[in-house]
Amino acid sequence: LAKTTQPISMDSYEGQEVNITCSHNNIATNDYITWYQQFPSQGPRFIIQGYKTKVTNEVASLFIPADRKSSTLSLPRVSLSDTAVYYCLVGDRGAGNNRKLIWGLGTSLAVNP
Amino acid sequence: DAGVTQSPTHLIKTRGQQVTLRCSPISGHKSVSWYQQVLGQGPQFIFQYYEKEERGRGNFPDRFSARQFPNYSSELNVNALLLGDSALYLCASSPGTAHNQPQHFGDGTRLSIL
Repeated sequence: LAKTTQPISMDSYEGQEVNITCSHNNIATNDYITWYQQFPSQGPRFIIQGYKTKVTNEVASLFIPADRKSSTLSLPRVSLSDTAVYYCLVGDRGAGNNRKLIWGLGTSLAVNP
Repeated sequence: DAGVTQSPTHLIKTRGQQVTLRCSPISGHKSVSWYQQVLGQGPQFIFQYYEKEERGRGNFPDRFSARQFPNYSSELNVNALLLGDSALYLCASSPGTAHNQPQHFGDGTRLSIL
């Protein structure tokens, strides 16, 4: 099972760019890297997913180096509403394989005024 | 379009009772998964269903069971409730089980055991 390691917590200020790095040394060939955001008392919300190189959408960018042993979620110009827990997941979501997606403690991001 | 809906939103039970939680996936989604999330922890996988068949099971006791209906909605049943079953129970759906299909989560059912 591909385990991930990410910082437990991070602090930032409004308007700054935030980069959260996730290590996944034993990532497998079929594994995708997926990031979710979770606010208190809500379900996780999909942010971005990638397999290699760089992926960008309207809310974030995901940078994946060639060896794929780590990935970095980049949040441009954060606001107070970006305060949440961010989870990095690595896994092959083939049939019945959600059990292989290990949700760690995530990174608790606090954005200050 | 409606997202994943779960009911009830909150529930209080006592030890030894049984509970049934319900989930309606996004229209067109055929895969449903259930997770347990204890305060301060990440979600823990319980079950995955696809096309009404169980496709995956996490490390939970047999007191936990689930099923998926022809309309792809799902129920999670927990028997003989213990204090430790107090948690947020999350349901997630996706179109299928392909590698690159992210899951869409409901806001969960908060279960409290007294």
